[in-house]
Amino acid sequence: QKEVEQDPGPLSVPEGAIVSLNCTYSNSAFQYFMWYRQYSRKGPELLMYTYSSGNKEDGRFTAQVDKSSKYISLFIRDSQPSDSATYLCAMTQQIMDTGRRALTFGSGTRLQVQP
Amino acid sequence: NAGVTQTPKFQVLKTGQSMTLQCAQDMNHEYMSWYRQDPGMGLRLIHYSVGAGITDQGEVPNGYNVSRSTTEDFPLRLLSAAPSQTSVYFCASSYSNPGQGFSPLHFGNGTRLTVT
Repeated sequence: QKEVEQDPGPLSVPEGAIVSLNCTYSNSAFQYFMWYRQYSRKGPELLMYTYSSGNKEDGRFTAQVDKSSKYISLFIRDSQPSDSATYLCAMTQQIMDTGRRALTFGSGTRLQVQP
Repeated sequence: NAGVTQTPKFQVLKTGQSMTLQCAQDMNHEYMSWYRQDPGMGLRLIHYSVGAGITDQGEVPNGYNVSRSTTEDFPLRLLSAAPSQTSVYFCASSYSNPGQGFSPLHFGNGTRLTVT
């Protein structure tokens, strides 16, 4: 079983829809939770990060962490065609004695927003 | 400020050939790393470096070598290419080791490698 599970999609929605992207994880020591966005043929770029549990909002994007359920979400409001990309969740522990598992990535969910 | 620059963008190799993937960053980041991205597998760490002269293995190091003689450069060498190494390779850097807290990774745009 993978340490981080993410539905690969593709997820296709009409413009203006609310999008929910999710990851589940098994390592209860994870404390930093990140979402990276990757456009086609580009490298991932950090979109948002959250420390421990709770919500964080940035414009149309909201990141949510539920540590009790080991479940994180990214919500996109009023989705736009420019949001079409692959979204990768990533998580890490606060302190590690080795960088071997520095970041654990989900496999990514491909999102398509139709105009 | 170019960020993380990877060359080449595309490469086709025959089985058994060797090559070096180049990575350079101009952000004075101490931490640099190489990932491979395969469908359904996510990003997997190959090798990383926490500073010039220091390298260590990641999750999938077999068949790859790295060195870090300067802060800016972190080349990845494929010793004898195999079809299983067909993948997209990303170089990433950050201010400090992202495994020891929060330090966002800055990625290059990747090298698409095919081994026939």
